[in-house]
Amino acid sequence: DTAVSQTPKYLVTQMGNDKSIKCEQNLGHDTMYWYKQDSKKFLKIMFSYNNKELIINETVPNRFSPKSPDKAHLNLHINSLELGDSAVYFCASSQGNADTQYFGPGTRLTVL
Amino acid sequence: AQKVTQAQTEISVVEKEDVTLDCVYETRDTTYYLFWYKQPPSGELVFLIRRNSFDEQNEISGRYSWNFQKSTSSFNFTITASQVVDSAVYFCALSDNNAGNMLTFGGGTRLMVKP
Repeated sequence: DTAVSQTPKYLVTQMGNDKSIKCEQNLGHDTMYWYKQDSKKFLKIMFSYNNKELIINETVPNRFSPKSPDKAHLNLHINSLELGDSAVYFCASSQGNADTQYFGPGTRLTVL
Repeated sequence: AQKVTQAQTEISVVEKEDVTLDCVYETRDTTYYLFWYKQPPSGELVFLIRRNSFDEQNEISGRYSWNFQKSTSSFNFTITASQVVDSAVYFCALSDNNAGNMLTFGGGTRLMVKP
C-alpha cells in the first residue's frame, strides 16, 4: 500500500495551459505539503495545509493554488503554465507540525 | 530566518570507504527538528532520521550514524563501509516554529560510491 501517492507521474503540457496534480495519503495524517524541486535539485516548500490553516510560501506565484477536498487529499492547481514551472513536484504529509514528513514519488512537470 | 547549508555538493568514494556528509543549520528557535532524506536515482525522497533540538545524543542505525552538535550548529551524517547502493543525493533539512514547521532543505550532497 502506497502511503503518499501522486498522479500523474509525468505531465507534459504547453505554455499557457492549466493543469492539476493530485495527491492522496492513506496515513491518516493531519497536515499535507507541496514542494518544488528544480533542475539543480533544490527543494523548496510551496504550501503547508491542514484543516485549519493554509500557509503559503510568499515566493509562490498566485497561479499556484492548493485545493483539499478532504483530509486525505491535497491537489495542486496551476494556471497559465510557464516554462519556469518545469520541475518535479512532491507532495508530503505528516501527523502534525514538526513531525516527520513522508513524501510521494513526485510528478515531473515539463512545460513546452 | 532558517537556513541549511550542505557545503559538499558532490562526493565520490570507493566502495567500503567511510564517508561523512556535512550539514550546518541556522535558526533563531530553541525548539527545532533536523532531518536527513535520501534521494536515490529513482527520484523518491526517503526519510532517514529526525532529531529534536533537545536530544544531542548521537544515533547509529546499521552503517549509518549521525552526529548532532548544537555548539557548532551541525548535524553530520556518516556512512560506514559505503556500498554502491548508497549512491544518491542526500538532503539535510530543518523544521522550526518560525517557518510554520515546514521543511527548509539544504542544497543536497550527491554521493557516488564506485565499485
